[in-house]
This record gives sequence, C-alpha cells and structure tokens, in this order.
Amino acid sequence: DGGITQSPKYLFRKEGQNVTLSCEQNLNHDAMYWYRQDPGQGLRLIYYSQIVNDFQKGDIAEGYSVSREKKESFPLTVTSAQKNPTAFYLCASTIGGSNEQFFGPGTRLTVL
Amino acid sequence: KQEVTQIPAALSVPEGENLVLNCSFTDSAIYNLQWFRQDPGKGLTSLLLIQSSQREQTSGRLNASLDKSSGRSTLYIAASQPGDSATYLCAVRGNNRLAFGKGNQVVVIP
Repeated sequence: DGGITQSPKYLFRKEGQNVTLSCEQNLNHDAMYWYRQDPGQGLRLIYYSQIVNDFQKGDIAEGYSVSREKKESFPLTVTSAQKNPTAFYLCASTIGGSNEQFFGPGTRLTVL
Repeated sequence: KQEVTQIPAALSVPEGENLVLNCSFTDSAIYNLQWFRQDPGKGLTSLLLIQSSQREQTSGRLNASLDKSSGRSTLYIAASQPGDSATYLCAVRGNNRLAFGKGNQVVVIP
C-alpha cells in the first residue's frame, strides 16, 4: 500500500528536550512538507523540501529543523528553542504535475 | 500574502439535506485549489483538486466549483449523511505552497 507514515502517533517531551518526528513516504513524491495545526489557527507551514538535500523555511520555522537525505524521508526536529511546541504535526507530500497534496496521519506532541 | 476564508466556522444540517460550503481567497493568481476532509485527531484526506484552468470537479456526491476571478470556490455535498460529519478545509496553491482556510466543522444530524 502506498502512503505516508508518521511516527510516533503521540509524543511527550519534557521542557528543554529536542525530539524528532518521523515522516516516510513510498509514493515516489519529490516534494514533502511539515505543518503545524493548532485549534482555531488552521495549518501553518514549518518547512518544505522539493528535492533531496534541499529544503526551505515556511512561515513558522523558528525552533524547528529538518533534513532531506533520502527522497522518501523528511524528519522534523523540534528543538528546545521552540517556545510553544505542543501541537498536532502533519507531514505531507505532493505529486508532480497535478501538485495534489497528500497527508500522513499526524503526530500529537505534548510538552510536559 | 494569500488569505483563505471559510465561513461559517461550524454548521449543522439534517440528514438528507445538501451541504454547501464556501471558500474565498484574496489572490486570484493560483495554480489550483484543493478540498480536504479531516476527522477528529486524524490527518487530512484529499477530496477534490481543481486546477486553475478548470471550473469544477466532481466525485460521487461531491462537486466543487472554482471562480478564480471572484476568488471563490464552493463544495457541494449532495444528500448529506451522518458519515459526512467532519471538518472540511479549503487550500489554494501559490508558489510551491498551499494556503489553508481554518475549515468548516460540519455535523449532519440523523
């Protein structure tokens, strides 16, 4: 089955810790994205990558970092510099041509 | 900066009624518009994609229209069912990214 997987589904972090959220896709999509969703705020773009070894900041990149060493993987690290990291994080990828975007199931991060 | 608006934030309809959801955007220079469905605690499911050169797309009971010049799209869901209860999000594509509305939370009452 082709799709986007995110792990873990739930993640708890203590203040001051860095955590890494996993995103993997087997759709052979070139572009991948990370969004943050907060109640009442809609989806906001954190980082995106159009090709391997290249990525760009989105609207709220501060306190986050990414890497794109393989086409199928786009992990997101939430650093201790992110002041309010509790949120629902969504990974997505886009097929070339039509640019239809597909989403993973999400990771809910809670800072204790 | 592209602004996408979906009003109302929440609505409820009796089962069997047609659902009409509206999306407006401020910049008509878009590549495409996509409608998504989101169930509580889940990711987004793509419903329909309309390219900028198209006026509408249909899939089963769903129909979406696009009027780029007026900055509007409408999603119609015919003969609503309780299983249609969810949040529906509209997103427009500009340069390499999507701009999202905040969604319409829909409840279909049996």
